[in-house]
Amino acid sequence: GAGVSQTPSNKVTEKGKYVELRCDPISGHTALYWYRQSLGQGPEFLIYFQGTGAADDSGLPNDRFFAVRPEGSVSTLKIQRTERGDSAMYLCASSLTSTGFDEQFFGPGTRLTVL
Amino acid sequence: DQQVKQNSPSLSVQEGRISILNCDYTNSMFDYFLWYKKYPAEGPTFLISISSIKDKNEDGRFTVFLNKSAKHLSLHIVPSQPGDSAVYFCAASGVKASYGKLTFGQGTILTVHP
Repeated sequence: GAGVSQTPSNKVTEKGKYVELRCDPISGHTALYWYRQSLGQGPEFLIYFQGTGAADDSGLPNDRFFAVRPEGSVSTLKIQRTERGDSAMYLCASSLTSTGFDEQFFGPGTRLTVL
Repeated sequence: DQQVKQNSPSLSVQEGRISILNCDYTNSMFDYFLWYKKYPAEGPTFLISISSIKDKNEDGRFTVFLNKSAKHLSLHIVPSQPGDSAVYFCAASGVKASYGKLTFGQGTILTVHP
């Protein structure tokens, strides 16, 4: 698989629970991005990593959201005490670097539903 | 505060004709603009981009025009094909050298009728 993969494709959880969403970027891509897309809207930036470090986390809505990329490859987006308003499509993308105008390749997304 | 806006939620075009999708932005610090296409159940895929130092970029049937003074960009598809039917998002980057952070518009659903 040469593309960005995300697991699970669908996640249904109950309000107050903890969830983890996983992203496997394209091999060799040093930059990784998380976006959230609500129905009828465009993707909204959450955070991006250059290597293992978060280069810009200004889009994380609050401290219930956290993301890691410990080895500079796979990333996990973690959401604590989920709320119904967290229901959305969570998209991950990767690019060769983030220092130029490198194309971002998107995965198919994880649809999160909080009941 | 919607910094990138696509004011037309949908557009319907006959096959073979031109499709014009529009996008406006408010932040003058943006210096790189992109168009993405999205099919159902798939992530967005990159289509074409333009740097703020240019006013036109062409790639096959797709041309993007940038009018910096009006803070407006448009995507022209000529000729339109049924396979072009998808949601089109414009996006912008470049603020404070955070090139990785893309700001997207709300999207325009393009339907090309055979």
